[in-house]
Amino acid sequence: DVKVTQSSRYLVKRTGEKVFLECVQDMDHENMFWYRQDPGLGLRLIYFSYDVKMKEKGDIPEGYSVSREKKERFSLILESASTNQTSMYLCASIYGGAGEQFFGPGTRLTVL
Amino acid sequence: AQSVSQHNHHVILSEAASLELGCNYSYGGTVNLFWYVQYPGQHLQLLLKYFSGDPLVKGIKGFEAEFIKSKFSFNLRKPSVQWSDTAEYFCAVTGSGGSNYKLTFGKGTLLTVNP
Repeated sequence: DVKVTQSSRYLVKRTGEKVFLECVQDMDHENMFWYRQDPGLGLRLIYFSYDVKMKEKGDIPEGYSVSREKKERFSLILESASTNQTSMYLCASIYGGAGEQFFGPGTRLTVL
Repeated sequence: AQSVSQHNHHVILSEAASLELGCNYSYGGTVNLFWYVQYPGQHLQLLLKYFSGDPLVKGIKGFEAEFIKSKFSFNLRKPSVQWSDTAEYFCAVTGSGGSNYKLTFGKGTLLTVNP
């Protein structure tokens, strides 16, 4: 079974802090994604990566950056956390093109 | 740009009732369609998917969905719901072929099934 893990289930940070969310997948998937999930808004794509060191902006990249130094790991970075970034963050991965994405359990981030 | 519209924000049913959740999409090309489910406290998982072929697809736990190309729809159905079907359901679309692997999700439908 594909496994996508995220470093924390719950995280509380203060406004202005730099925040790192880590995601690891164990199935040699090429493509990885970061979404945020908010009530009534569904899932919105922040960034995705189709190869090591390659990244593309999703629909809501403002205030976020990403890093992919190794194939299995994809990090989401909040350079200076703000209260409007309080959300559930989901990581996903997929082997090739337009197939099924496998999701991690999510990180619920609260910014105070 | 691709988009997905889910008609119902919250659906409340009694056990054994039939379910149909609406999903319409907008995309200028051939599509792959998905329904994902998120049970309380659990991660998002695939319920069913349509890539090509028979437009009526069957998924896990007795769910099915029908792709109607002329209506740009991919509605989810289940003849008789159970309390354990209480969850949030998301419809999603991506273009088929090439490297178009960006999934676009609808806003979700929360299903509450009362025992």
